[in-house]
Amino acid sequence: EAAVTQSPRNKVAVTGGKVTLSCNQTNNHNNMYWYRQDTGHGLRLIHYSYGAGSTEKGDIPDGYKASRPSQENFSLILELATPSQTSVYFCASGDAQGGTGQLYFGEGSKLTVL
Amino acid sequence: GDSVTQTEGLVTLTKGLPVMLNCTYQTTYSPFLFWYVQHLNEAPKLLLKSSTDNKRTEHQGFYATLHKSSSSFHLQKSSVQLSDSALYFCALSGNYQLIWGSGTKLIIKP
Repeated sequence: EAAVTQSPRNKVAVTGGKVTLSCNQTNNHNNMYWYRQDTGHGLRLIHYSYGAGSTEKGDIPDGYKASRPSQENFSLILELATPSQTSVYFCASGDAQGGTGQLYFGEGSKLTVL
Repeated sequence: GDSVTQTEGLVTLTKGLPVMLNCTYQTTYSPFLFWYVQHLNEAPKLLLKSSTDNKRTEHQGFYATLHKSSSSFHLQKSSVQLSDSALYFCALSGNYQLIWGSGTKLIIKP
């Protein structure tokens, strides 16, 4: 079973503070993704990566940066957190080219910005 | 561009009844479709996937058939259980990412 782990699982931050959400996968997948999900709603893609050293903007990248220092790790960075970024963030990995493969999700990181 | 449409935002059913959740898509490429299920406070997990036209795929009592002629991949189950209460997402393979539908919340009542 593919494994994706996220940390922290819960985070309370102050407005204007810096937040880093980390994701690690042990599946040797090339592609990794960061999504946010607001209560009862769908998944929105923030950033994704094709492999170590690459990051690409998704559908809602404003206010977020991403970093992929290695095949295993993909971080999401909020330099200046705002209350509108309060949400649940999911990391996912996948290995197929052309987007035809299955995605494996982490358990989610709940972020509250006060 | 590519898109996925799920017409029902909320479906409420009594245990034991059948269900069909609608999913239609638009793409210029050869489609690869997925259904993901997300239970409360959990991560989405793959339920079904298919790229074969007119072939039924099944898992955990759920089934779906990809119909390229109608661009549809509806999710069905013949008898829902309380444990089927969850959020269901249809997704389409895109270029290095999945194109997600808006999701259908399924609530099963005793």
